[in-house]
Amino acid sequence: KQEVTQIPAALSVPEGENLVLNCSFTDSAIYNLQWFRQDPGKGLTSLLLIQSSQREQTSGRLNASLDKSSGRSTLYIAASQPGDSATYLCAVHGEVEYGNKLVFGAGTILRVKS
Amino acid sequence: DGGITQSPKYLFRKEGQNVTLSCEQNLNHDAMYWYRQDPGQGLRLIYYSQIVNDFQKGDIAEGYSVSREKKESFPLTVTSAQKNPTAFYLCASSSTGEELGYTFGSGTRLTVV
Repeated sequence: KQEVTQIPAALSVPEGENLVLNCSFTDSAIYNLQWFRQDPGKGLTSLLLIQSSQREQTSGRLNASLDKSSGRSTLYIAASQPGDSATYLCAVHGEVEYGNKLVFGAGTILRVKS
Repeated sequence: DGGITQSPKYLFRKEGQNVTLSCEQNLNHDAMYWYRQDPGQGLRLIYYSQIVNDFQKGDIAEGYSVSREKKESFPLTVTSAQKNPTAFYLCASSSTGEELGYTFGSGTRLTVV
């Protein structure tokens, strides 16, 4: 059974700091990995999608890497801002034996202090 | 703009009632999903559908039912058999091609009163 773990569970940093969020998964048989952002009481917003054949994706101040063989992904946020405060969710899209479904981690709650 | 619309945003259910949550998408996606989110926990899959008139149970389907009569619509009914229905419900859709990601709606918060 695919399991996704995110570390740390919560993180509080001063504005301007660079930070790294970690995601690990137990089965490397994945199609892709997706990072989402969730604001309180809201739906999920997709940040980055990394295909299994790719090593990283970048969007603005965000960079996500994927090491499929070791079952790890990191989300790097450069020059953090108070507006980055949210919950960040990692999800892996499993291959056929997982029914073509997304499996989520529990998330990292990020607070950026001004 | 293409997207997923969930309604209502807030829903209150009395004990013993069935309630239906709406999910509509105009992305022309084949697959649709329902997830439940509880505080401090990850999202858990309730039901999913990869094609019209077909759907499969997810990890926590007991007490829920769905239908997929149209490609654009995937309503979720929370039945009286669901003993702990208070949660945040999220609908999502995706292309069945594995190279594309998922798009989520804004959610429905269901509370039992």
